Amino acid sequence: AQSVAQPEDQVNVAEGNPLTVKCTYSVSGNPYLFWYVQYPNRGLQFLLKYITGDNLVKGSYGFEAEFNKSQTSFHLKKPSALVSDSALYFCAVRDTNAGKSTFGDGTTLTVKP
Amino acid sequence: GAVVSQHPSWVICKSGTSVKIECRSLDFQATTMFWYRQFPKQSLMLMATSNEGSKATYEQGVEKDKFLINHASLTLSTLTVTSAHPEDSSFYICSARLRRGETQYFGPGTRLLVL
Repeated sequence: AQSVAQPEDQVNVAEGNPLTVKCTYSVSGNPYLFWYVQYPNRGLQFLLKYITGDNLVKGSYGFEAEFNKSQTSFHLKKPSALVSDSALYFCAVRDTNAGKSTFGDGTTLTVKP
Repeated sequence: GAVVSQHPSWVICKSGTSVKIECRSLDFQATTMFWYRQFPKQSLMLMATSNEGSKATYEQGVEKDKFLINHASLTLSTLTVTSAHPEDSSFYICSARLRRGETQYFGPGTRLLVL
């Protein structure tokens, strides 16, 4: 079985400050890990993924995430937040042997000017 | 990135009617498509997984006779909500994937309101 947890429903940061959105996962095999962003009344947009290789993954809009196998985490980060980053963020995990992904409950990021 | 479209983007219908939602992968061939339902401020609930040319696999609790899924080609999947009722009102999102391990790309979603 696979699962993913986003422990924070809401993250608030000031514009220009670094942001972190947390994600931990559980899989029986090797994980594929993804981050998506959703703006109001829209579908999900792909941000970045970890399949294999470097633990630090860089994605769209200046976001990055670090795969930490020992802590089973894949936190999303950005050095300097923008107001336009305010949205709902989903972490997803898929076991390499699984056909479908499991999504977290989502974290609402609010960046204030 | 890859583009997935959905049509219509929103629909209002009367109770008892059927509604068809189309999901298209515009610039790649999707061997697998997924249909999700999302309630306000909640995560995505996977309804079914469909592979081109075969029957969809429904998640537990999802009525396959209620939510008909057809994945007739590598670029098109349809979800038909049959005999819709107000409780079927929701945001329906599809996603498409080329192969296992590849990224899922999501459509923009379809807002369904059943009166």
